[in-house]
Amino acid sequence: GDSVTQMEGPVTLSEEAFLTINCTYTATGYPSLFWYVQYPGEGLQLLLKATKADDKGSNKGFEATYRKETTSFHLEKGSVQVSDSAVYFCALSDDNTDKLIFGTGTRLQVFP
Amino acid sequence: NAGVTQTPKFQVLKTGQSMTLQCAQDMNHNSMYWYRQDPGMGLRLIYYSASEGTTDKGEVPNGYNVSRLNKREFSLRLESAAPSQTSVYFCASRLQGGNQPQHFGDGTRLSIL
Repeated sequence: GDSVTQMEGPVTLSEEAFLTINCTYTATGYPSLFWYVQYPGEGLQLLLKATKADDKGSNKGFEATYRKETTSFHLEKGSVQVSDSAVYFCALSDDNTDKLIFGTGTRLQVFP
Repeated sequence: NAGVTQTPKFQVLKTGQSMTLQCAQDMNHNSMYWYRQDPGMGLRLIYYSASEGTTDKGEVPNGYNVSRLNKREFSLRLESAAPSQTSVYFCASRLQGGNQPQHFGDGTRLSIL
């Protein structure tokens, strides 16, 4: 079945550092891919999405490119802030079942 | 924009008590979902409803029941709460279609003593 694998956390960075959170997927079809962010005590919020190969999703300085050849959707940001500290979830859509398949989440901690 | 509204936000129960978690969305979405989130385990799907009048089991349905009351509302019931059901519960909804994201509520934090 479809699956999503994310890098283990926590990822600990200093403010203004470059961020990469790796996400790879396994899917039989052509899924859409998503990144969600969860701030402490809150629900998940959609951060960005890409619906086909080579699409780049972007929002709030974060970017991710849908790479079909490497089945990846890595999240990047050029300069992180303390306010980016959160848990980040990669997910893919499963059209056959109308469900999203989530990775286990990666905690990001940014220190001043 | 209310989006997805969950009630209550917090609840403490004793083992064996029953309770219903409420969820309502005002975005005219077809599909609705219930998840639980436990430390280190990400999100696990309990039940979902692809449309009004239909419900299906997810990954961890045991101990739960659901009702899709109408297009807006999807409730989750614990008939006899157990300490293993202590968790944060999230409701989500989305339009049908592979490129549609899910929209989440703020969660219900449930403790069972």
